Amino acid sequence: EPEVTQTPSHQVTQMGQEVILRCVPISNHLYFYWYRQILGQKVEFLVSFYNNEISEKSEIFDDQFSVERPDGSNFTLKIRSTKLEDSAMYFCASSEGPPVEFFGPGTRLTVL
Amino acid sequence: DQQVKQNSPSLSVQEGRISILNCDYTNSMFDYFLWYKKYPAEGPTFLISISSIKDKNEDGRFTVFLNKSAKHLSLHIVPSQPGDSAVYFCAARGGSNYKLTFGKGTLLTVNP
Repeated sequence: EPEVTQTPSHQVTQMGQEVILRCVPISNHLYFYWYRQILGQKVEFLVSFYNNEISEKSEIFDDQFSVERPDGSNFTLKIRSTKLEDSAMYFCASSEGPPVEFFGPGTRLTVL
Repeated sequence: DQQVKQNSPSLSVQEGRISILNCDYTNSMFDYFLWYKKYPAEGPTFLISISSIKDKNEDGRFTVFLNKSAKHLSLHIVPSQPGDSAVYFCAARGGSNYKLTFGKGTLLTVNP
């Protein structure tokens, strides 16, 4: 069964460094999303992407964040200058169309 | 921002019995509701959904009930199995928004 994949599974970085989290959505899906879950808290929406542009973003998704679909298969989330509070599980999701989204296994980001 | 609430952080049931997981919402613009299951170190897995025009949707052992007037939905698992032990998230989507809004989750433990 097709699934969303994410790399790396765990990323450790120093505060102020840039990180890129990578995702390969399910191949025939058109909508792509990033969510995050800070330890002990709920899963929070960051951004949705459709037709090569951001379709919706949350207030968390500030100028430090960007997304890109650099080729036909990858979908990336870049954090330009990481902060301690960016430490979280980051989940990529994709869908053929709203509302059902299929999630990847997540990348655990640890900012030291 | 507690638009989707899961007031029970945990639930424990015996194998073979019914598990009932509850979810309340406040936003009357929500028109689609989903349940996801999450094991540790994995991403949320889609289980079942319901549109706001329905009051019940069934898929095998899983049934979701929606009470729009009470802004309440529930997930019934019958019979419960030890493999059902996981965190269950209620999520909702509203109107033209692409994003899913999640509850905090309920940890279900099914005892053999």
